[in-house]
Amino acid sequence: QKEVEQNSGPLSVPEGAIASLNCTYSDRVSQSFFWYRQYSGKSPELIMSIYSNGDKEDGRFTAQLNKASQYVSLLIRDSQPSDSATYLCAVNRDFNKFYFGSGTKLNVKP
Amino acid sequence: DTAVSQTPKYLVTQMGNDKSIKCEQNLGHDTMYWYKQDSKKFLKIMFSYNNKELIINETVPNRFSPKSPDKAHLNLHINSLELGDSAVYFCASSHGLAGARVDTQYFGPGTRLTVL
Repeated sequence: QKEVEQNSGPLSVPEGAIASLNCTYSDRVSQSFFWYRQYSGKSPELIMSIYSNGDKEDGRFTAQLNKASQYVSLLIRDSQPSDSATYLCAVNRDFNKFYFGSGTKLNVKP
Repeated sequence: DTAVSQTPKYLVTQMGNDKSIKCEQNLGHDTMYWYKQDSKKFLKIMFSYNNKELIINETVPNRFSPKSPDKAHLNLHINSLELGDSAVYFCASSHGLAGARVDTQYFGPGTRLTVL
C-alpha cells in the first residue's frame, strides 16, 4: 500500500465550478499535510498546509483534513483555466520525511 | 534571487557515463532533499541531509551518491548511468527543525536527465 493515494484523473471541471481533489494516507501518525500545484515542466509549488482537523481557507482554496478517516481534500472555488495543473498531496510523518501522492491532473475548461 | 537553484536544467548523456547535478539554497534552511519524479509524476524522496549530515537514504542504488559540502549545498553524483535513471530530479529545502509541527519544503526548478 502506498503512503499517499490520489486519483490520477484527469478531473475536468468547467470554468467557475468547484474542483474537489482528494487524498488518503496510510499512516495514522502523519502530522502535517500539504497540497502542491505543479504545472507541466515546472517544479511543485506549495498551495496549502494543514495539520488540524477541519477546514482551512486561503482565498479560493480550502483544505480539509479528517484524521480519523485519514483523508485530506482540496477544494478550488471559482475554478479558472489557470488552475489547470497536477495537484500533489504530501504528508509529513517523520522528522524531515515527506511522502507524496502521484498527483491528480485537473483540467478547467473555459 | 532564486531561493533553490539547480544546475544543469537539462542533462542528456549516454548509458554508463557519470554525471553530477548541483543544488544550492539561499533560504538559510538546515535540511535539503533530492527527489526523483518519473514519467508518471510520482515524486519519490531519495536523500535528505540536515546540517550536512545524511538523515534519509531511501533504498537508492549505490550508484547515487549525495554530497553536502555545507548546509546550503547538496549535490548528487550518479555513476554508471542506466536508462531507468531518466527522470526529473528535484532538489528541495526546508527549515528542518526537530519537533517543529509544520515544516514546508521549497523546490528547485528541476533537472531533466535523459539517458540514451
